[in-house]
Amino acid sequence: NAGVTQTPKFRVLKTGQSMTLLCAQDMNHEYMYWYRQDPGMGLRLIHYSVGEGTTAKGEVPDGYNVSRLKKQNFLLGLESAAPSQTSVYFCASSYLQGRTDTQYFGPGTRLTVL
Amino acid sequence: GDSVTQMEGPVTLSEEAFLTINCTYTATGYPSLFWYVQYPGEGLQLLLKATKADDKGSNKGFEATYRKETTSFHLEKGSVQVSDSAVYFCALSAGDDKIIFGKGTRLHILP
Repeated sequence: NAGVTQTPKFRVLKTGQSMTLLCAQDMNHEYMYWYRQDPGMGLRLIHYSVGEGTTAKGEVPDGYNVSRLKKQNFLLGLESAAPSQTSVYFCASSYLQGRTDTQYFGPGTRLTVL
Repeated sequence: GDSVTQMEGPVTLSEEAFLTINCTYTATGYPSLFWYVQYPGEGLQLLLKATKADDKGSNKGFEATYRKETTSFHLEKGSVQVSDSAVYFCALSAGDDKIIFGKGTRLHILP
């Protein structure tokens, strides 16, 4: 049982390049989330999904797109990377609605945009 | 809107000292409250939670009590260890699909 995994662990992009971050969970969780973590800002929700085929915007969705084609995977895309998107990205999942259920986090992806 | 405010760090303590990290919240309704911990180079993991007023969450020697009257959920530990060095996040969930996190408090424990 690997839990939540993220690919890649590190990435350096040039401004304007695109990339996709992959999140996978093997716990059969319905809910999945993408956060970014910046110094002094805590975690901010980018997008989330309440089930296969669904996505919704979080607090800071601009410049990102997501897809949930399979229940176990949640992809985060950057179509045209900007230096402001330099951050550590975390994926999380939970079985039930977030009110009482634990979110399980992946190890993170450190992205640098030059 | 809903929000979480926690004390700014870093907090530096000697081993075996008593720890308190303050957390207060603003929310409509009756939120659930959480403390997550992030060890260096890792993702967050749940430390403890409480889902209703006066509940006490506890784990690994850490405790926090849900105080509705003061809208607080302070984290405490009686005797910290070097291995407790990490970033601690207070969080709430108020009935929708999302959790709101505080900005985090970095804790350094000196041997």
